[in-house]
Amino acid sequence: GAVVSQHPSRVICKSGTSVKIECRSLDFQATTMFWYRQFPKQSLMLMATSNEGSKATYEQGVEKDKFLINHASLTLSTLTVTSAHPEDSSFYICSAPGRSSYEQYFGPGTRLTVT
Amino acid sequence: SQQGEEDPQALSIQEGENATMNCSYKTSINNLQWYRQNSGRGLVHLILIRSNEREKHSGRLRVTLDTSKKSSSLLITASRAADTASYFCATETSGSRLTFGEGTQLTVNP
Repeated sequence: GAVVSQHPSRVICKSGTSVKIECRSLDFQATTMFWYRQFPKQSLMLMATSNEGSKATYEQGVEKDKFLINHASLTLSTLTVTSAHPEDSSFYICSAPGRSSYEQYFGPGTRLTVT
Repeated sequence: SQQGEEDPQALSIQEGENATMNCSYKTSINNLQWYRQNSGRGLVHLILIRSNEREKHSGRLRVTLDTSKKSSSLLITASRAADTASYFCATETSGSRLTFGEGTQLTVNP
């Protein structure tokens, strides 16, 4: 089946620095990818829709200048958390729709810890 | 914002028992999906039920959908310790965007 990878799987950074998370579709092209955030013991919250070749669409309440999304190719979307703060510590998960509109493939997630 | 609510939030059962989790949603949907997540890991797709379907089976899983009540249930029969995980429902409205429920933490005791 289709596979979505994320890198890194874990990252620890200092407050004020920026962190980039990659999401790759390994054996299929994804013109759209989704980024979610999950706090401990909570559900996934959709942050934004990443669109290849155009601007990302952000959900209400998500700061686009803080969470920069770039979807430069059909297999790669990146999420950059800028000027990270401890409250940004979370589990970030990406997903990509498959060929069928019903299919969606999730990456394994990236655990971000901001100290 | 999350439109799905799940109950119970936590469920603890013995191996061999059945586990039932419920999900409610607020808007019209194209389909509803159930996912499983082991602690600190990614999501695993379990089953999808379309808005025009009422019941679906996959192995030990049984999903029902009642669009008039905007609710769904996931039944896991003959549970195993390995079924211990968080289970989320997710509704798809348009454009492949998924809205997740709050999740149910299932613990199956050996």
